[in-house]
Amino acid sequence: SYVLTQPPSVSVAPGQTARVTCTGNNIGSKSVHWYLQKPGQAPVLVVYDDSDRPSGIPERLSGSNSGNTATLTISRVEAGDEADYYCQVWDNSSDHWLFGGGTKLTVL
Amino acid sequence: QVQLVESGGGVVQPGRSLRLSCAASGFTFINYGMHWVRQAPGKGLEWVAVMWYDGSHEYYGDSVKGRFTISRDNPNNTLYLQMNNLRVDDTAVYYCARGIDDPGAFDIWGQGTLVTISS
Repeated sequence: SYVLTQPPSVSVAPGQTARVTCTGNNIGSKSVHWYLQKPGQAPVLVVYDDSDRPSGIPERLSGSNSGNTATLTISRVEAGDEADYYCQVWDNSSDHWLFGGGTKLTVL
Repeated sequence: QVQLVESGGGVVQPGRSLRLSCAASGFTFINYGMHWVRQAPGKGLEWVAVMWYDGSHEYYGDSVKGRFTISRDNPNNTLYLQMNNLRVDDTAVYYCARGIDDPGAFDIWGQGTLVTISS
């Protein structure tokens, strides 16, 4: 079955750029979606279809997807960006939606 | 406003059953596929099940297939999850979520309802 792999944690200083990766076999051929989740809250969609942003999501958050790696990039990181970030795809071979294990972003 | 509100969670013994509900408002429910996603304490997100907008298709995650059943009442804008033969590892917060352009992303999530399986 298809597997999505994320680093457990990423740390970045305020004002710097954070990159959260999501790897999977030929993930570039799939549409990747990204969610953030803060403690005690429901997930929030921040990027869909690799690089589109829902209304209300700042341009500082962007996505890309190619080859075996999809990346969520957060520019000019702020303390409020601290959260768990999850990637997601639909696996057409199983008709299952899959999540990566999640990455905890820490702002130093 | 667009909203999903789950209910029905609680504490039940292993082997028992529970039915969760998700009340939708603020959008045309029948136009969207609807999902259940769960999150065990301290763990990541796990997709559980989907029902197509018109009820024509339903799919389940491997860990719940054969035990859980998703259904929807379109006239009453409600999504359900019938959970049978519950196990300790079904303990989780259960979220309902709206799918966009299925099989696409989940753009609206409820606040979740906690299900605890314990003897």
